[in-house]
Amino acid sequence: EVQLVESGGGLVQPGRSLRLSCTTSGFTFGDYAVSWVRQAPGKGLEWVTFIRSKAYGGTPEYAASVKGRFTISRDDSKSIVYLQMNSLKTEDTAVYYCTRDTLDYPFYYMDAWGKGTTVTVSS
Amino acid sequence: DIQMTQSPSTLSASVGDRVTLTCRASQSISSWLAWYQQKPGKVPELLIHKASSLASGVPSRFSGSGSGTEFTLTISSLQPDDFATYYCLQYSTYSWTFGQGTKVEI
Repeated sequence: EVQLVESGGGLVQPGRSLRLSCTTSGFTFGDYAVSWVRQAPGKGLEWVTFIRSKAYGGTPEYAASVKGRFTISRDDSKSIVYLQMNSLKTEDTAVYYCTRDTLDYPFYYMDAWGKGTTVTVSS
Repeated sequence: DIQMTQSPSTLSASVGDRVTLTCRASQSISSWLAWYQQKPGKVPELLIHKASSLASGVPSRFSGSGSGTEFTLTISSLQPDDFATYYCLQYSTYSWTFGQGTKVEI
């Protein structure tokens, strides 16, 4: 069974940092790209960041709203993806989902989702 | 960035109804479109990818169509389990965008 489990969320003050983790199992992690998607309270879905598999360079992409503040990385030896979030703003408050992204060459779509971890940015 | 607009925002329907949801892209995305279902308090689930390909395990009452800038998701006979919010996603670039969602309610 494909599983993605997010952790690391919590309450943090504006301007501070937080690191989220996405621990995966049930599939060959190294073969897949991964994204983070967030959902603010009562709002829709917003893509945040993406990282390719090592076979495709392991390179990241970022939404304009987080570029320069967030960093995605992956550890294929542990089947984990990390999201380092710096200079957090109140508008970053959301549930953060980790997704497995399947290649539909040359593009990717999200085909499996974790249950999410809640990040609240407030003073 | 490509903007995705879903209509209607809310759709009221009854069990057994045939319902059609629409998603429009601000520019052509070929067939690089997916649909997701999200029930309250739950995780989004993939229904359709590449505009019309049914994801594994998804009931055949769901179908998708369209290409270019206009897409539809059709539920042929609405079931009680289908009352949820539906999102479209364009994945024609490496900057993904979702529609704002259509809530299907009783």
